Amino acid sequence: ETGVTQTPRHLVMGMTNKKSLKCEQHLGHNAMYWYKQSAKKPLELMFVYSLEERVENNSVPSRFSPECPNSSHLFLHLHTLQPEDSALYLCASSTGYSGNTIYFGEGSWLTVV
Amino acid sequence: GQQLNQSPQSMFIQEGEDVSMNCTSSSIFNTWLWYKQDPGEGPVLLIALYKAGELTSNGRLTAQFGITRKDSFLNISASIPSDVGIYFCAGQPETSGSRLTFGEGTQLTVNP
Repeated sequence: ETGVTQTPRHLVMGMTNKKSLKCEQHLGHNAMYWYKQSAKKPLELMFVYSLEERVENNSVPSRFSPECPNSSHLFLHLHTLQPEDSALYLCASSTGYSGNTIYFGEGSWLTVV
Repeated sequence: GQQLNQSPQSMFIQEGEDVSMNCTSSSIFNTWLWYKQDPGEGPVLLIALYKAGELTSNGRLTAQFGITRKDSFLNISASIPSDVGIYFCAGQPETSGSRLTFGEGTQLTVNP
């Protein structure tokens, strides 16, 4: 139990579907992150939120849409994804958005068919 | 962007052996972190290092923040089968506002 909970753990979706990934942190942190992890690639930072404001968007396609309603919750809305978007999506949190120590959730395995 | 070189990429060892892996960077880092990722799970923080020369242990794991601030190593002593997984280093560059940079991981296999 890392204090960062992600749901669902596994998701299979068609390219025309709309789905969402959810993340909740119980650590009292004020920064949250979405990372993408593909096979044989380093972790890719997608989005950073600090105090519910997006502070970073690393050239992520618009078919990924983040939402941070409060400092404990983070969503990643998915629509019209491509098969190459299949990956493990990791949520993380830290005490500040400079993020010198971040804690990850268990990840959501996404398969796009 | 910042680059971290993590080595080795993979290791196959016998149970009971000691393991050593390291990360190097061309630039100075303020923080070094070591994570372990089990199959199908997210990375779990093992050890965090915040000062040059710092040597920290967590059970059978020991990690050090290099004196030059450009490297770090992780040692695992007396390996056991549950040590299997991918070990990632991560570092925060000295440059203000820089984000954590991750290594590509070391895949550890422990044969009973």
